[in-house]
Amino acid sequence: GESVGLHLPTLSVQEGDNSIINCAYSNSASDYFIWYKQESGKGPQFIIDIRSNMDKRQGQRVTVLLNKTVKHLSLQIAATQPGDSAVYFCAENITPDKLIFGTGTRLQVFP
Amino acid sequence: NAGVTQTPKFQVLKTGQSMTLQCAQDMNHNSMYWYRQDPGMGLRLIYYSASEGTTDKGEVPNGYNVSRLNKREFSLRLESAAPSQTSVYFCASSGTYRGLSEEQFFGPGTRLTVL
Repeated sequence: GESVGLHLPTLSVQEGDNSIINCAYSNSASDYFIWYKQESGKGPQFIIDIRSNMDKRQGQRVTVLLNKTVKHLSLQIAATQPGDSAVYFCAENITPDKLIFGTGTRLQVFP
Repeated sequence: NAGVTQTPKFQVLKTGQSMTLQCAQDMNHNSMYWYRQDPGMGLRLIYYSASEGTTDKGEVPNGYNVSRLNKREFSLRLESAAPSQTSVYFCASSGTYRGLSEEQFFGPGTRLTVL
């Protein structure tokens, strides 16, 4: 498959454990944040988003936390499964039409 | 709905050749985008189009041109390909809800190699 990010930071977790992926964003004026999942050879896929008027949002097995004070975003995945193995990107919406992506974190899930 | 589609999936060019990457979306989105993705670099915005008839430069526009042909289609052209343009190219589209931007939907990508 396509190699996306040869030098990405990697998080290795055991199947069934919880995963936490962190992201520092750059612009204090950003008001919309998104987490994407990218599997090898595929385009990024939307996971969850959060607006700046919130500090937590939950989806199915995923939670996003936003700390505007330190410009930090995290993605928590509960009961991590082998199918969660992928590269995860955070993105911030600096202007209404522009997303700036982080470099990504590779999540490896071991049985 | 097919979502965002891109053609071709793979392409090999020689230095100096030209080509156009095609993108179409069937979600009635106003905004469309072209990104490139290099290993370890995440996604970088090349050009975007906030609405039919408008285009704007992103972070890395040099060496590229775009055309927003209609609301559905947004093409990316390389006039004279260079090895530095070897990359994976993604097209994306997004809508708005009550004036607020929403998530971008991505196509499957075009893997371009310039020799």
